[in-house]
Amino acid sequence: EVQLVESGGGLVQPGGSLRLSCAASGFTLSSYWMHWVRQAPGKGLVWVSRINSDASSTNYADSVKGRFTISRDNAKNMLYLQMKSLRAEDTAVYFCVRGVLDYWGQGTLVTVSS
Amino acid sequence: DIQMTQSPSSLSASVGDRVTITCRASQGIRNDLGWYQQKPGKAPKRLIYAASSLQSGVPSRFSGSGSGTEFTLTISSLQPEDFATYYCLQHNSYPHSFGQGTKLEMK
Repeated sequence: EVQLVESGGGLVQPGGSLRLSCAASGFTLSSYWMHWVRQAPGKGLVWVSRINSDASSTNYADSVKGRFTISRDNAKNMLYLQMKSLRAEDTAVYFCVRGVLDYWGQGTLVTVSS
Repeated sequence: DIQMTQSPSSLSASVGDRVTITCRASQGIRNDLGWYQQKPGKAPKRLIYAASSLQSGVPSRFSGSGSGTEFTLTISSLQPEDFATYYCLQHNSYPHSFGQGTKLEMK
């Protein structure tokens, strides 16, 4: 069974940093591109970032470019999102999503507030 | 960047009704489109991929159509468990983009 479990969310002050993790199981992570998608409270879904299978290529939404870094460790079956210079508008549930955007984790909540 | 315009933003319907939701892309995306259902507090669930292919395990009352710039999701006969929010997603180019969502409510 495919499982994606996010962790690392929490309350952080504006300007702070946080690293999200996503533990993958039930499939071979190294065979799939991976994505992060976020959803602010009561709002719609927003695509954030994507990384290819061997981490040689990444893409980002303009709103996070230069502040967020997506990475992966295929040997550990882990996906990451390093977030820096966080702003109030980054407050959201962050979902880890597999390859063709078929399987989603349950999400982890990031709250940016003083 | 490709913009996805989804309509309507909300819809009131009854059990047994036929419902159609539309997404329009600001430029052609071939059939690189998926439809998702999201219930409160839950992760989105993919219903349709490649614009018209039914995800395994999804009831056949759900169907998708379209190619290029105009796409539709149809629910042929609404069931109580179908009241949720629906999103389209284009994955033709980066940044990927979602429609604004359609909240399907019980009349």
